[in-house]
Amino acid sequence: QKEVEQDPGPLSVPEGAIVSLNCTYSNSAFQYFMWYRQYSRKGPELLMYTYSSGNKEDGRFTAQVDKSSKYISLFIRDSQPSDSATYLCAMKEITGGGNKLTFGTGTQLKVEL
Amino acid sequence: DGGITQSPKYLFRKEGQNVTLSCEQNLNHDAMYWYRQDPGQGLRLIYYSQIVNDFQKGDIAEGYSVSREKKESFPLTVTSAQKNPTAFYLCASSRGQAITDTQYFGPGTRLTVL
Repeated sequence: QKEVEQDPGPLSVPEGAIVSLNCTYSNSAFQYFMWYRQYSRKGPELLMYTYSSGNKEDGRFTAQVDKSSKYISLFIRDSQPSDSATYLCAMKEITGGGNKLTFGTGTQLKVEL
Repeated sequence: DGGITQSPKYLFRKEGQNVTLSCEQNLNHDAMYWYRQDPGQGLRLIYYSQIVNDFQKGDIAEGYSVSREKKESFPLTVTSAQKNPTAFYLCASSRGQAITDTQYFGPGTRLTVL
């Protein structure tokens, strides 16, 4: 079993839809959570990070963490064609892991006109 | 214009040949990383370096080698011992090794073994 599980998609939605992207994890030591966005043939770029349970909002994006269920989500409101990309969740251990990132496999999202 | 550059963007190699991928950063970051990305497997850590002249193996170091002679540069050599080298290779850097230090990624090099 992988430490981080992520539905690979592809996920196709109409423009303006609310998108929900999810990851589950098994390692209780993961305490720092990130979402990266990766356009085709490009490097990932950091979208959001959080280390506490609950919601964190940034514009159209909301990151949600539920540590009791070991479940994180990224919500995209009013989705746009420019949001079409692969979304990667990533996690770090709070102690002993240094700055090592453990990634999910990524979810491919397509927002259609 | 700060950032991470990787070259070349595309690289073709014959079986049995070693090849070196370049990674340079001008962010004044101490830590640098190499990842490999394959379809359906996410990013996997190959090697990382916390300071100049020091580096550690990641999860899939076999068949790879690195050097860190300068703070700005962290080249990766894919040797002939790597059984399945065709992949997308990503270099990253961070200010340090603290959990709050964000890793920033370069644009990647796509390696194809012919």
